[in-house]
Amino acid sequence: EPEVTQTPSHQVTQMGQEVILRCVPISNHLYFYWYRQILGQKVEFLVSFYNNEISEKSEIFDDQFSVERPDGSNFTLKIRSTKLEDSAMYFCASRGDRVLQPQHFGDGTRLSIL
Amino acid sequence: GQNIDQPTEMTATEGAIVQINCTYQTSGFNGLFWYQQHAGEAPTFLSYNVLDGLEEKGRFSSFLSRSKGYSYLLLKELQMKDSASYLCAVTDPTDKLIFGTGTRLQVFP
Repeated sequence: EPEVTQTPSHQVTQMGQEVILRCVPISNHLYFYWYRQILGQKVEFLVSFYNNEISEKSEIFDDQFSVERPDGSNFTLKIRSTKLEDSAMYFCASRGDRVLQPQHFGDGTRLSIL
Repeated sequence: GQNIDQPTEMTATEGAIVQINCTYQTSGFNGLFWYQQHAGEAPTFLSYNVLDGLEEKGRFSSFLSRSKGYSYLLLKELQMKDSASYLCAVTDPTDKLIFGTGTRLQVFP
């Protein structure tokens, strides 16, 4: 069964550094998402992306965050100048183009900011 | 505003049936989704409802009443591997998933 893949599985970074989290969505999917989950808390929406542009972003997704689809397969989340509170699990998700298809999640990247 | 409520924890016995309830108040509604999440892992899609009624998928069923803002996930013939968090999530017209805090289910032998 096709799946969403994310790399790296764990990223440890010094505060103030930039990180890039990578995702390969399911190949025929057109809608892409990033979510995050702080330890012990609920999954929170960050951003949705379709047709090479952001569809919606949450209040969390401020100027330090950006997303990009650099080629036909990868979807990246960049966090500039990371803060301690950015430590969380970051999940990428994708879905097909039929209305109300479920979003399928990758295994996540655990980001630890020191 | 957006508010999704689920019980924090539930326990059940192997082989039993358990019902996990979810109530929601959201500014828009397109569908309600249930995901399973084992500790430290990704949410895995289980079931979804768009219209009122029951959707059955093997040992898992989900029910929706849009007028009451209410859903439940029914798990039958519980197995030890069903011990996990169960996440209720609503999609609004903007397509994003709005998650509840999840219900941690522990299945005992």
